[in-house]
Amino acid sequence: QSVLTQPPSASGTPGQRVTISCSGSSSNIESNTVNWYQQLPGTAPKLLIYSNNQRPSGVPDRFSGSKSGTSASLAISGLQSEDEADYYCAAWDDGLNGVVFGGGTKLTVL
Amino acid sequence: QVQLVESGGGVVQPGRSLRLSCAASGFTFSNYAMHWVRQAPGKGLEWVAAISFDGNSRYYADSVKGRFTISRDNSKNTLYLQMNSLRAEATAVYYCARSSFDSGSHYFDHWGQGTLVTVSS
Repeated sequence: QSVLTQPPSASGTPGQRVTISCSGSSSNIESNTVNWYQQLPGTAPKLLIYSNNQRPSGVPDRFSGSKSGTSASLAISGLQSEDEADYYCAAWDDGLNGVVFGGGTKLTVL
Repeated sequence: QVQLVESGGGVVQPGRSLRLSCAASGFTFSNYAMHWVRQAPGKGLEWVAAISFDGNSRYYADSVKGRFTISRDNSKNTLYLQMNSLRAEATAVYYCARSSFDSGSHYFDHWGQGTLVTVSS
């Protein structure tokens, strides 16, 4: 069982907006920044959002992140077929003294 | 460009040892903390271990503490993971990842392609 909680699946049709939640606690999300990673099928994870809401260069502005208290969320607007992937949230945990990941959310574009 | 190339994976019997390597290029390796992250077949990501830029600080997941050792050789631009007393649950793809720091945030900005470790008799 993962320290950060994500829904196992999400879906949407092309052009729609979808959000993926990530729930944690005071020792991780509330006291540290949240990062999001995208893993396309058969590939290594890729950084999607860092420091709660920052996009690395090359990541489309359709992707956005936010954080409030012990929860964070990833929003994808203008959904495209190539967005079909697994998405993971992550944060440092002060109690465990390590990085914790969410269990991952499989996004399906219908 | 930044490249991280893992090697050393394979099939190993339970209780035996294996050492993974991660060769880094395209950046000043000695300036960055590095991590190992693994992914069991069909499962999510699990953080394994981290090492500071100079090797003086190391952190481990409880699941591997006492059996795995992370190390680095900055003269060879290489990260290592020594895995001892391997168990079946260690079967996974092992990724090395570079940790960057910006405005108080640490994040994995580059990942290797992964190397598969299978623990089986």
